[in-house]
Amino acid sequence: DVKVTQSSRYLVKRTGEKVFLECVQDMDHENMFWYRQDPGLGLRLIYFSYDVKMKEKGDIPEGYSVSREKKERFSLILESASTNQTSMYLCASSSPPVMNTEAFFGQGTRLTVV
Amino acid sequence: EDKVVQSPLSLVVHEGDTVTLNCSYEVTNFRSLLWYKQEKKAPTFLFMLTSSGIEKKSGRLSSILDKKELSSILNITATQTGDSAIYLCAVINTGGFKTIFGAGTRLFVKA
Repeated sequence: DVKVTQSSRYLVKRTGEKVFLECVQDMDHENMFWYRQDPGLGLRLIYFSYDVKMKEKGDIPEGYSVSREKKERFSLILESASTNQTSMYLCASSSPPVMNTEAFFGQGTRLTVV
Repeated sequence: EDKVVQSPLSLVVHEGDTVTLNCSYEVTNFRSLLWYKQEKKAPTFLFMLTSSGIEKKSGRLSSILDKKELSSILNITATQTGDSAIYLCAVINTGGFKTIFGAGTRLFVKA
């Protein structure tokens, strides 16, 4: 059974804090993604990675960075959390070719920044 | 700018009803369209539609891709309360690694 695991289901952080969201997949997938999901806006891609130490900006990378030191782990970092980063964050993974393959999602992390 | 638009944004039906969810897209170099179901947790994959597979069916769910109209529909017949979820439509293009998601349709099925 394929599995994408996000380290936290719920997080509450203060404005200005550095926040780490961790994602681990056990499917040996090359590709990993971070999305945020907001009501009425759907899923928006923040960053993705197609190999270890490789990363590409998505549609809304501002205020975020990522790290992919190992194939199975993809971390999303909020350098200085702000209230407009309150959202649901979803991690996903897929195997090449990226086109025409489904992505497997983690359970999501609901982050609240106060 | 690539975009995927779903309608309606939300829908309330009674058990046993048939529903049709819509997805339209404007994407350069379309490759495939995917439907996901999202309950309280992670989105789960339902269907993938490409130029070579424009109609898919699984139990009470079916989906059709209309490449001429740049749209897709997801049909659910004889709805059950367990069908209550957000249904996400996503389009993959050939230009890169991105998958463009719609905002989703929130379906609520009343017993």
